[in-house]
Amino acid sequence: QVQLQESGPGLLKPSQTLSLTCTVSGGSITSGSYYWSWIRQPAGKGLEWVGRIYTSGSTIYNPSLKSRVTMSVDTSKNQFSLKLSSVTAADTAVYYCARPPHVWGQGTLVTVSS
Amino acid sequence: EIVLTQSPGTLSLSPGQRATLSCRASQSVSGNYLAWYQQKPGQAPRLLIYGASNRATGIPDRFSGSGSGTDFTLTISRLDPEDFAVYHCHQYGLSPPVTFGQGTRLEIK
Repeated sequence: QVQLQESGPGLLKPSQTLSLTCTVSGGSITSGSYYWSWIRQPAGKGLEWVGRIYTSGSTIYNPSLKSRVTMSVDTSKNQFSLKLSSVTAADTAVYYCARPPHVWGQGTLVTVSS
Repeated sequence: EIVLTQSPGTLSLSPGQRATLSCRASQSVSGNYLAWYQQKPGQAPRLLIYGASNRATGIPDRFSGSGSGTDFTLTISRLDPEDFAVYHCHQYGLSPPVTFGQGTRLEIK
């Protein structure tokens, strides 16, 4: 059974770059024709799709975040990653990695504060 | 972009009652790639229904999903106290951007 685990710094200052990694366990990230996603949720609000990546490296990002988002995949480590540049307080959220709809990580809280 | 509108925003019911949650899409959801999740405070979303009507593994049969095209429904036939939570619909088709509804809060009356 595939499981996902997010990791990365929980506190950032405005203008810094958010970097998160999702480690895939219980199966190979290259197994099957899946895409791997990042989704975020500000406190008390709904879910927002950030973007997705295929193991080929092909990416699609949310247009509202596209200018600041970069995703990558490392098949040798069974991981995929998210970078979000120039963060502000509005980027404070729980960030989930997922293989929608079936598999989600537990989420990691990222707070942007000076 | 497909906009998903969930209604009602809040639903107040008692244990044992039937709950009907709606998710309406601004355009047809291709392949009926529509999922429903349950989320409790401090927890990740839990998949209930995928493909509009398929129950996920381990989900009680009191949960059912229906609909196609632009109108989808999640029904909980008989509410258990553990069912009071926020419910999200999600269209995960191959055509991005992927979108979520704003959520329906199911609260105890």
